[in-house]
Amino acid sequence: QVQLVESGGGVVQPARSLRLSCAASGLIFSNHGMHWVRQAPGKGLEWVAFIRYDGSSKYYADPVKGRFTISRDNSKNTLSLQMNSLTVEDTAVYYCARDRGGAQYFDLWGQGTLVTVSS
Amino acid sequence: QSALTQPRSVSGSPGQSVTISCTGTSSDIGGYNYVSWHQQHPGKAPKLMIYDVSERPSGVPDRFSGSKSGNTASLTISGLQAEDEADYYCCSYAGSYTLVFGGGTKLTVL
Repeated sequence: QVQLVESGGGVVQPARSLRLSCAASGLIFSNHGMHWVRQAPGKGLEWVAFIRYDGSSKYYADPVKGRFTISRDNSKNTLSLQMNSLTVEDTAVYYCARDRGGAQYFDLWGQGTLVTVSS
Repeated sequence: QSALTQPRSVSGSPGQSVTISCTGTSSDIGGYNYVSWHQQHPGKAPKLMIYDVSERPSGVPDRFSGSKSGNTASLTISGLQAEDEADYYCCSYAGSYTLVFGGGTKLTVL
């Protein structure tokens, strides 16, 4: 069936790096833009980043600009998020989500992976 | 990229209707017809309920409807059911391929 599965979460110290992955199956991955969205514990959803279907353009929310990098490998149906210079404010469940309409909305979500930034 | 404004909580009895508002600016909600609503049950991933202000994805009951007026979007749930109890988030396109969410509204079915 159509699904997105995130991985790579864990506990990391402040100022360190972590790389998240999102494996897509049951869909033509290369046809879709993709997003990362995060949710801090007990808080609301926050859009993080968007990459176009072919990886040609990338867009970021201000809190992560310059620290996070979204990328994709269409040959492996995989989306990634490289997170550098992590702070405690980056602690959250990170979801990947399929784009529709060019950043108009997300119609498919993964189950999320938890990133905890703590010393 | 300021968050959209939603009430923190709303409630209703089974069978009743509730409306959740989502207020933004002319740079997001007011500027585009790209408002979506997502339902999230505790510990679960969000689920798309409404897109493009008022469109329902396949499989979403027609009890869920969306609308927009100026800088404010609304989600109305009619004929409330126990399984509708969840958090609801609005989301709007904000230009330059960016999106912004509301803070979320907790719906309690009494």
